[in-house]
Amino acid sequence: DAGVIQSPRHEVTEMGQEVTLRCKPISGHNSLFWYRQTMMRGLELLIYFNNNVPIDDSGMPEDRFSAKMPNASFSTLKIQPSEPRDSAVYFCASSLGGANVLTFGAGSRLTVL
Amino acid sequence: DQQVKQNSPSLSVQEGRISILNCDYTNSMFDYFLWYKKYPAEGPTFLISISSIKDKNEDGRFTVFLNKSAKHLSLHIVPSQPGDSAVYFCAARRNQGGKLIFGQGTELSVKP
Repeated sequence: DAGVIQSPRHEVTEMGQEVTLRCKPISGHNSLFWYRQTMMRGLELLIYFNNNVPIDDSGMPEDRFSAKMPNASFSTLKIQPSEPRDSAVYFCASSLGGANVLTFGAGSRLTVL
Repeated sequence: DQQVKQNSPSLSVQEGRISILNCDYTNSMFDYFLWYKKYPAEGPTFLISISSIKDKNEDGRFTVFLNKSAKHLSLHIVPSQPGDSAVYFCAARRNQGGKLIFGQGTELSVKP
């Protein structure tokens, strides 16, 4: 298995633009997590899905953020409109059966100018 | 509300010596704790874990200690090697169906 695959690895955009981050979890894993890494908060959970259903989105900072998981092999995190304070590394992770050992992707580094 | 805290942003240790990374938590309902290691430009990778019914778990050079009364866990690396230089995150969960909450991370530097 190629592991958790995230794209793009790097994204530079201007304030106000829409950003879409993508994630392909490990085949067979039924839980998917989106985290954001910042210096102040470390790894901050944004949202997680079990069996493609969003379970807890309390970490999503604002309505500008949305996440979807249309099927077991794909998820997106969208920011619209983006702001400079959204600049961070966004990680996707997957696991089998909830909050056990998570396997992380390599991350998507977002820079909003 | 930071439920999992790593109060030391960085730690520097000499090769061959022991590295001790600390983590505090506030929620007594946490039942499972993990440590992850992260190299630059890579995602975090799982290192070692411990259930709340234990107070120690060992895997090679890595040992995790859990003190439930103090709501404190620590990761011991001995002997430390330059390849251990990375950011270490501790994490905790309340139940299997819940979410994994991470600390801020501690950057370990092991000097030759």
